[in-house]
Amino acid sequence: KAGVTQTPRYLIKTRGQQVTLSCSPISGHRSVSWYQQTPGQGLQFLFEYFSETQRNKGNFPGRFSGRQFSNSRSEMNVSTLELGDSALYLCASSLADIQRRESRDSYNEQFFGPGTRLTVL
Amino acid sequence: KQEVTQIPAALSVPEGENLVLNCSFTDSAIYNLQWFRQDPGKGLTSLLLIQSSQREQTSGRLNASLDKSSGRSTLYIAASQPGDSATYLCAVFSGGYQKVTFGIGTKLQVIP
Repeated sequence: KAGVTQTPRYLIKTRGQQVTLSCSPISGHRSVSWYQQTPGQGLQFLFEYFSETQRNKGNFPGRFSGRQFSNSRSEMNVSTLELGDSALYLCASSLADIQRRESRDSYNEQFFGPGTRLTVL
Repeated sequence: KQEVTQIPAALSVPEGENLVLNCSFTDSAIYNLQWFRQDPGKGLTSLLLIQSSQREQTSGRLNASLDKSSGRSTLYIAASQPGDSATYLCAVFSGGYQKVTFGIGTKLQVIP
């Protein structure tokens, strides 16, 4: 079974531009979560999509948005890029949404993609 | 506000040694706790998931324990190998706006 894939792997943009990142989850997984990883802040949760609906959201400004398609693929968009948006953006997929309590271990387990390295100049 | 702390921040051990990585969290109302490893410039690899009702999980040379009442989890690595060198992260899944909170990680180096 193929893992989580993210495109593009590397991206260079300038301040003020916008960017769209893509994530394809593991086949059968309906939940996709997005994270931002920086050396100073570590990994921070952006939002989660489940069955095309945003189910959970972290504490990020409205410039960060996303969507999920009927095939569970997800895109994340960042508008009006700032220097501080330079980071590794990771997506993760799981069978169930992250807030759901399941009796089976595997439902909540998150599997991560390789990430997209975004550099804002 | 959930806060997750991992101690130590870095660890260097000789090959073959058993070691323990620590993860502590401030809010014990968690759903799950998951341990990951991350290799430089790469994504995260899931190691073990512990649900809030469980006390421990084992996979090969890895054993993770969870004590919700004290807000602690430990990852035990037996007979460490150079291939275990990576950064180990714990993630706590809980309610509130944070949803998922990661620790900064423990950078492990196993010396041959």
